[in-house]
Amino acid sequence: DARVTQTPRHKVTEMGQEVTMRCQPILGHNTVFWYRQTMMQGLELLAYFRNRAPLDDSGMPKDRFSAEMPDATLATLKIQPSEPRDSAVYFCASGFGQSYEQYFGPGTRLTVT
Amino acid sequence: QKEVEQNSGPLSVPEGAIASLNCTYSDRGSQSFFWYRQYSGKSPELIMFIYSNGDKEDGRFTAQLNKASQYVSLLIRDSQPSDSATYLCAVNAGGTSYGKLTFGQGTILTVHP
Repeated sequence: DARVTQTPRHKVTEMGQEVTMRCQPILGHNTVFWYRQTMMQGLELLAYFRNRAPLDDSGMPKDRFSAEMPDATLATLKIQPSEPRDSAVYFCASGFGQSYEQYFGPGTRLTVT
Repeated sequence: QKEVEQNSGPLSVPEGAIASLNCTYSDRGSQSFFWYRQYSGKSPELIMFIYSNGDKEDGRFTAQLNKASQYVSLLIRDSQPSDSATYLCAVNAGGTSYGKLTFGQGTILTVHP
């Protein structure tokens, strides 16, 4: 049963702390997306990678967010320092080739106090 | 104007009725259109995609696309309480976007017994 996995599923942290979220895309998928979802803004694309290379990170606050793909089976999203406005659900999704179909992981619910 | 707009909802229909969800998009170059279903507290799940003008049917779901009017819709026949969810319309971004999707804000559907 191929699926995207994300860890942790929940994270509560204090303002100023570093947060790292991890994603394992579906095996064989070569495109990975990071989204943030809030009630006010809906689903926003933060960054995405193809064949591990970053293609677009224009949706990310550059001063505090960073996204990497150390290898084909792992994508990371880091926030340093975290702020209360970063509280949201962060989703990772993966896709393959020229297809636009994306498959979402279960998400990481982040609360910054 | 938002790139992808959905009827604001929430939409409430009785069990057994047809639910109609609508979406318009601004980029005439868009070629791929997707409907995702998101249950409360869960991740978006791909349920339909359509690439060509006309109708595409899958069980109780029918996606309709009219590129001239830049309009895509999702019909759910014989609506069930289990169809109650938020439905997200997504459209591929133009140019060399390599799989990037733009999502609408979503329409909340409630099917009442």
